Amino acid sequence: DQQVKQNSPSLSVQEGRISILNCDYTNSMFDYFLWYKKYPAEGPTFLISISSIKDKNEDGRFTVFLNKSAKHLSLHIVPSQPGDSAVYFCAANGWINTGTASKLTFGTGTRLQVTL
Amino acid sequence: EAQVTQNPRYLITVTGKKLTVTCSQNMNHEYMSWYRQDPGLGLRQIYYSMNVEVTDKGDVPEGYKVSRKEKRNFPLILESPSPNQTSLYFCASSPWTSGKETQYFGPGTRLLVL
Repeated sequence: DQQVKQNSPSLSVQEGRISILNCDYTNSMFDYFLWYKKYPAEGPTFLISISSIKDKNEDGRFTVFLNKSAKHLSLHIVPSQPGDSAVYFCAANGWINTGTASKLTFGTGTRLQVTL
Repeated sequence: EAQVTQNPRYLITVTGKKLTVTCSQNMNHEYMSWYRQDPGLGLRQIYYSMNVEVTDKGDVPEGYKVSRKEKRNFPLILESPSPNQTSLYFCASSPWTSGKETQYFGPGTRLLVL
């Protein structure tokens, strides 16, 4: 049961254009969402996050949008650069074990390729 | 330098031969976790630990063991590895104050079980 889904395994975007990566979730109890970026032969690194009480968070070229009613979030990268080529994972935080612990549930990842 | 280290980075073994993948963090983080990454399945949590001597199962714990005897170390043990445990493994840690802290990941261990 995949609670966090990234339906596009890959995306190719021209340098300078906007990249839009999408993520859907099914669990309405998730209260915090994050995007991680992963280069080959490295571990994922944190990119940007958003609380469920907000609908937008911006950090430089990266903006995350959250639509709670649709259970959907998206990551916008403007303008896209070749160095943005990586796998992007969205993740959702939710409480488990009657509130004593929380965990991140990751999506399957989207491979972004930014072409010259 | 603040980091999470894993060893070994690459490992080829045979079915049934016990192995341990070590994980160490130097950030004094309370929370540590192990994930495996498989094509089409993303990152799935194997085990996590909220503090020394406190561990619990994640989503895919079968065939794995962990221990947390010291705050900085969180080894992953495969008592009798099988081919379906061939995967890319990541250890992660975070400060754990509100549950929303960024997790810091190690570089990964690629395991092949023949």
